[in-house]
Amino acid sequence: LAKTTQPISMDSYEGQEVNITCSHNNIATNDYITWYQQFPSQGPRFIIQGYKTKVTNEVASLFIPADRKSSTLSLPRVSLSDTAVYYCLVGERYSGAGSYQLTFGKGTKLSVIP
Amino acid sequence: DAGVTQSPTHLIKTRGQQVTLRCSPKSGHDTVSWYQQALGQGPQFIFQYYEEEERQRGNFPDRFSGHQFPNYSSELNVNALLLGDSALYLCASSGGTGANTIYFGEGSWLTVV
Repeated sequence: LAKTTQPISMDSYEGQEVNITCSHNNIATNDYITWYQQFPSQGPRFIIQGYKTKVTNEVASLFIPADRKSSTLSLPRVSLSDTAVYYCLVGERYSGAGSYQLTFGKGTKLSVIP
Repeated sequence: DAGVTQSPTHLIKTRGQQVTLRCSPKSGHDTVSWYQQALGQGPQFIFQYYEEEERQRGNFPDRFSGHQFPNYSSELNVNALLLGDSALYLCASSGGTGANTIYFGEGSWLTVV
């Protein structure tokens, strides 16, 4: 399983765009990049997943350069409610037959300041 | 469509006791995984169940065991509780269409005193 490195913490003001970069130098060909958000005392919530280039959904964008050794989660115009821990994970895309597990690091604690 | 549900939400046990935590996967999912999350740490993989069998296991002692039922729900059992077992226990489910996304429940907070 590829190891990931991300900043321990980040601060941002409300209304700003936040970019959290994750390094995964040993990513394998079959690996996907997935980001989860976790609020205190709650389970992680899936945000976005991608393999290469750019992926966008209603809450975030994920930018992956051609070499795939890093990825950047972009949160547009953050609000106080975006204060949470964000985890970057790398692993094979689940393909059934009970063969998938997630390896979490310590994540990035994002604090949004009014 | 109910997501992953876990019970109980909170419980307190004494050292040496045994505990059973329960999980119902998201509708349409057939694979259940369990994770332990200590305070300030990321979740750590315990084991995964598919077709009622343990398919993968993380670095946890045999005191941690589980079961998956024909309806895909699952139980996590921990015997001979230690103070260090105090944590948030998370259940995650996956499978079916959109199989690449893993969904987590809200967890069960276990405090061992």
